Amino acid sequence: QVQLQESGPGLVKTSETLSLTCSVSGGSINSDYWSWIRQSPGKGLEWIGCVHYTGSISYNPSLRSRVTISVATSRTQFSLRLTSVTAADTAVYYCAKYYCINDVCRGFDYWGQGALVTVSS
Amino acid sequence: QTVVTQEPTFSVSPGGTVTLTCGLSSGSVSTTYYPSWYQQTPGQAPRTLIYDTSTRSSGVPDRFSGSILGNNAALTITGAQADDESDYYCLLYMGSGIWMFGGGTKLTVL
Repeated sequence: QVQLQESGPGLVKTSETLSLTCSVSGGSINSDYWSWIRQSPGKGLEWIGCVHYTGSISYNPSLRSRVTISVATSRTQFSLRLTSVTAADTAVYYCAKYYCINDVCRGFDYWGQGALVTVSS
Repeated sequence: QTVVTQEPTFSVSPGGTVTLTCGLSSGSVSTTYYPSWYQQTPGQAPRTLIYDTSTRSSGVPDRFSGSILGNNAALTITGAQADDESDYYCLLYMGSGIWMFGGGTKLTVL
């Protein structure tokens, strides 16, 4: 049973960089694709981007200029960095694992519990 | 830019059947969009119900089913129960590594 856990600061100052880590247990990060999703208060889910351990990465076009997703060298974590944050980036951030067959992904099968990040001056 | 569309709200009577849809502002959804469905209750992380159009996630009861209906992906709930009252989101693969969620449907069971 794969388990994912988000961690990082719950409060980030306006214009600074938001950094979160997703720790993976019960499975290998050296397979499938891994993703970050966020949900602003009272709003719907927003796909941020995804990463494969080989380094293949895709980002939401609306966030591409500010976001970086990477796999840690430990191969048990992957991370999210979002620069120049504003109040609009206040959200619960989820990490998730894709279900993939032969490198074709078909949706998420596992989710983290989510981490609330508040952006404030 | 193409967006993923869902009914904002829907209601169903206990024991009834409801079909939620997931479409595109331009074009038709097919299996190559790999539609998946997620259930979310307030304060909780999303729960995967369906992936790859119609494959139920582990532990999901068979009264939840996914399909393609006409131009849309669809989630059908048969024998609706009170605890099915949730927000439901669909996710589509838009190509070139990009995925997009629909705006979600708030389902009321009453």
